[in-house]
Amino acid sequence: QVQLVQSGAEVKKSGASVKVSCKTSGYAFIGFYIHWLRQAPGQGLEWVGSLDPNTGTTNYAQRFYGRVDMTRDTSISTVYMELLSLNSNDTAVFYCARAMSYYYHSSGRGYYFDYWGQGTLLTVSS
Amino acid sequence: SYVLTQPPSVSVAPGQTATITCGGDNIGSKSVHWYQQKPGQAPVLVVYDDNERPSGIPERMSGSNTGNPATLTISRVEAGDEADYYCQVWDSDIHHPVLGHGTEVIVL
Repeated sequence: QVQLVQSGAEVKKSGASVKVSCKTSGYAFIGFYIHWLRQAPGQGLEWVGSLDPNTGTTNYAQRFYGRVDMTRDTSISTVYMELLSLNSNDTAVFYCARAMSYYYHSSGRGYYFDYWGQGTLLTVSS
Repeated sequence: SYVLTQPPSVSVAPGQTATITCGGDNIGSKSVHWYQQKPGQAPVLVVYDDNERPSGIPERMSGSNTGNPATLTISRVEAGDEADYYCQVWDSDIHHPVLGHGTEVIVL
C-alpha cells in the first residue's frame, strides 16, 4: 500500500534551518510528483512547492523563493524539504503529498493529492 | 492569481444534508477536488475530478461542478463528518495548486 512517512517534530530557533524528510513506499517513486504544504496553527493549507522525483526539477511558491530547497534520494525513495532563515511565522505543520495527474478537457493537465504524509510539526522560537 | 472562495462554516443536524460551496472564476472549466481534515490529522482526499470518490469514501459524499460554485454534498450527516473541508483546483497557467481557505462542518 502507498505510504508517505515524515520525519518527527522539530524545534528550532529563529534564523536556523530545518530539513524534513518524506519517505515513500508502495509505488514507483519516480512516477509521481511530491508536493509540500504547510498549515499554520488554526489556519488553512498553503502550498509550498513541488519536486519531480524523476528529474529533481522543483517548483516553489513565490513567497518561499530563496528560502526553500527540495531534494530527493532515489535510492531510498525519499524527498526532503529544507527551509532556511526560520522565523516564528514558520511555526506550522508541514505535509508532503503525492500528486496524481489527470487531464481535463477544458483546462489541460492538472494534479490532485491522493496520499498524504502524517505531518511534521515545526516550532520556531525566538 | 486564481482564488477559491469557501464559506467559513456550515452547520447541519445529524441525518440532514450539508452542502459546501467552492466558488471561483469560470470554475466549471476546471476539475475540482475536495479534502477532509479532522482535528490533528492529515487531509484525506474525498472527491476528485469533480465527482469521483476514492476507494473507501462513502457514497454519502458527492461532488458537483456544473456551474459556479462547485459543491461537495454530504448526505445523512453523521457526527464523524465533523471536519474542515478544502476544495482545490490546478492553475495550469502558473503550475500551482490553488486551495480554498476551508469550510468547517459543524454537526449540531
